[in-house]
This record gives sequence, C-alpha cells and structure tokens, in this order.
Amino acid sequence: RKEVEQDPGPFNVPEGATVAFNCTYSNSASQSFFWYRQDCRKEPKLLMSVYSSGNEDGRFTAQLNRASQYISLLIRDSKLSDSATYLCVVRPYSGGGADGLTFGKGTHLIIQP
Amino acid sequence: DAGVIQSPRHEVTEMGQEVTLRCKPISGHDYLFWYRQTMMRGLELLIYFNNNVPIDDSGMPEDRFSAKMPNASFSTLKIQPSEPRDSAVYFCASSPSSGRGKTQYFGPGTRLLVL
Repeated sequence: RKEVEQDPGPFNVPEGATVAFNCTYSNSASQSFFWYRQDCRKEPKLLMSVYSSGNEDGRFTAQLNRASQYISLLIRDSKLSDSATYLCVVRPYSGGGADGLTFGKGTHLIIQP
Repeated sequence: DAGVIQSPRHEVTEMGQEVTLRCKPISGHDYLFWYRQTMMRGLELLIYFNNNVPIDDSGMPEDRFSAKMPNASFSTLKIQPSEPRDSAVYFCASSPSSGRGKTQYFGPGTRLLVL
C-alpha cells in the first residue's frame, strides 16, 4: 500500500463550481498534514496546513479524519487560476525536528471557463 | 529574501558523466532537504540535513548518489556516474526549526536529463 494515495484525475470542473479532493495515508502515527499546490513546471508551494478540527482559508477548506486516515480539500467558487496539481502531504513525526515530507502523486485540477 | 536558489536550472548530460546539483537555502533555515520528482514515482525525499549534518539519507537510491552540506548556505547533490534513469526534476527545500508546521520552501528545481 502506498503511503499517501490520491486520485490523479484530471478533474475537469467549470469555473465557479465546488470541487473536493480526498487522500488517504497509511501511517497511523502521522502527525502533520498539508496540501501543497504545484503549477506546471514549477516547484510545490504550501497551500495550507490541515488541522484536526478542520480549517478554512478563504475559498479553501481542509479537513482531517484520523480514524479513517484521510484528508480532504474543498475548493468553493473555483477560479481559472486554481488549475494546478494538488499534492497531499504527510509528515510522520511531530518531534523537535522538521523531518522529511511524504507526498502523494497529486490530483490534477483543470478549471474550465 | 531570494528564496531557495538552485543551479543549474537545466542539465543535459551523457550516461556515465558526473552531475553536481547546487542549492542555497533561505538564510536562517536550519533544515535542508533534497527531493526528486518523476512522473512514475512522484516526489521522493532523498536526504535531509539539520545544521549541516545529514539526518536521514535512507531515500538516496544508491551509492552513485552523494550529498554534502559544507556550510549553512550551501549544499550539493552529486551523481557519479549518472544513468538515464536518474532523469528527473531535483528539488531542494529548506525550513526553519520552529514555527507551526515548519513549512518547507522549495527551490525552482533542476531538470536533469541523462542521455
């Protein structure tokens, strides 16, 4: 089983629609969770952290379900500029160190006008 | 701040040649990470350093790969000899040792093609 699994898509969504992605992770000891965004031929950039209570940043909402070991990202009122690959990211330890991240392969989102 | 700087941005070489990738982390960041991205395997952590000391190199594919961090502002990833299967985008990232989530900031990457 892969450590972090995502549906690769692509998700083709009309502008203004709401879209949701999920990902699952295999390491139950994982402590920190993130969504990164990667544009074509660019580096990954942090979109938002994911907290146990769920969190919102503008049009973006992230949720964590530890019991089922999945993470979700909801994008409301999607914009053309939201077209990108969204990477689900897990860090296994919460110790003093930063530790390496484990990335899913990403979900490709295309917002259509 | 200029962000994480990587060089070269593109590298084309022939099988068997030595390749050296370079990274300058964000000033003040204690951690430096090397990742590799391919279509087949996605983003994979190769090695990371804390205060210039290698902490975990379990992701380094084999002895042909080596990484060094001689000081806080410079790191290299070397492949010798290179093989076509090493073709990938290599990212360097850095992060501070404190702060919520210890966000990792990625450089623009080096696109390596081994012929």
